Amino acid sequence: DAMVIQNPRYQVTQFGKPVTLSCSQTLNHNVMYWYQQKSSQAPKLLFHYYDKDFNNEADTPDNFQSRRPNTSFCFLDIRSPGLGDAAMYLCATSRARNEQFFGPGTRLTVL
Amino acid sequence: LAKTTQPISMDSYEGQEVNITCSHNNIATNDYITWYQQFPSQGPRFIIQGYKTKVTNEVASLFIPADRKSSTLSLPRVSLSDTAVYYCLVPQDSNYQLIWGAGTKLIIKP
Repeated sequence: DAMVIQNPRYQVTQFGKPVTLSCSQTLNHNVMYWYQQKSSQAPKLLFHYYDKDFNNEADTPDNFQSRRPNTSFCFLDIRSPGLGDAAMYLCATSRARNEQFFGPGTRLTVL
Repeated sequence: LAKTTQPISMDSYEGQEVNITCSHNNIATNDYITWYQQFPSQGPRFIIQGYKTKVTNEVASLFIPADRKSSTLSLPRVSLSDTAVYYCLVPQDSNYQLIWGAGTKLIIKP
């Protein structure tokens, strides 16, 4: 089945230690998104790619970076995780403005 | 920018029909309204999308009045497994981003 895959499902890192979360898709969608979701809150868009064009939300901290080496893969890099970055990170894909398909998420714990 | 407003929480019982209403006063003329469902520790899942009048699929119905300033998600004969958070979304002006409101936490009781 076509899907959005996120690895790992659970990630533990230390304060200030860089971490990379990965997302892959078999849907061949041209748009990929990264969201941050904290407990009992709605997902918050960090950035998205339309093909290779990167679009950063104005309030996304510089600590968060992203890479999309090809259509299928997208990475979220957190350069120096702080305690406040502990959250669920969701990857989603869509074809243009159509419905978004979400992965299962990666839960990040910062010690 | 368009903004959505939904009830924070709702309770219902198994077998009942549940209607969740969302207001989106500033929706653009050409924009669709989309609803997602999210279970704890999972990514959101698309439920239904509509532009006007009524849309129905195997999971839900979506009612949109002529002025499109609101929409109502209708879940027929809910079960315990429908306990989740339901989000109503409309696009931002900049195309690919959806505006996520606080969502409605629906609790189904036996």
